[in-house]
Amino acid sequence: KAGVTQTPRYLIKTRGQQVTLSCSPISGHRSVSWYQQTPGQGLQFLFEYFSETQRNKGNFPGRFSGRQFSNSRSEMNVSTLELGDSALYLCASTPGPSYGYTFGSGTRLTVV
Amino acid sequence: AQSVTQLDSHVSVSEGTPVLLRCNYSSSYSPSLFWYVQHPNKGLQLLLKYTSAATLVKGINGFEAEFKKSETSFHLTKPSAHMSDAAEYFCVVSTYSGGGADGLTFGKGTHLIIQP
Repeated sequence: KAGVTQTPRYLIKTRGQQVTLSCSPISGHRSVSWYQQTPGQGLQFLFEYFSETQRNKGNFPGRFSGRQFSNSRSEMNVSTLELGDSALYLCASTPGPSYGYTFGSGTRLTVV
Repeated sequence: AQSVTQLDSHVSVSEGTPVLLRCNYSSSYSPSLFWYVQHPNKGLQLLLKYTSAATLVKGINGFEAEFKKSETSFHLTKPSAHMSDAAEYFCVVSTYSGGGADGLTFGKGTHLIIQP
């Protein structure tokens, strides 16, 4: 079966712009979560959605937001981009936390 | 609240020798624990998971981990290292508190180097 699909794979944006990243989970997985990976901070939890509801949010500013659609696909949006937002953004899906999470290959965002 | 400490940022072993990657966790609730591996420029792959069943967990590629509640540890081992094991390894904890998901909390990672 298809894995977690993230688009686009690479993105270059200018400071001050906004960006939208997309994640399609494995079919049947209703929980989708997002993570930011940087060399300095490592992997950090952004937020988790289940059945179109945000269940939890990590310690990120309000410029970071997300949503989930009825088909479980999820998007995250970052507004007013800063240089420090340059990172690999990973999406993961799961049918339930005890099953483990399947990660996509990520979107590498570069802010210039 | 939950946290994960990976005790070694780098581990170097010779091919064919045992691997030990150490992880300690803290959690207010009964945790689920995972080990993930990330090869360069690749996504994260689940190696194994502990979810309150058997304390000795076997994963893919010959890896296994033992959950020790008294020591709050979940160390990853492999009897014989292979060159293809060279990668970054992450210990991860997940807990549910009051019905809400806390997401995954990652350790800082251990870079495993395999010497020929």
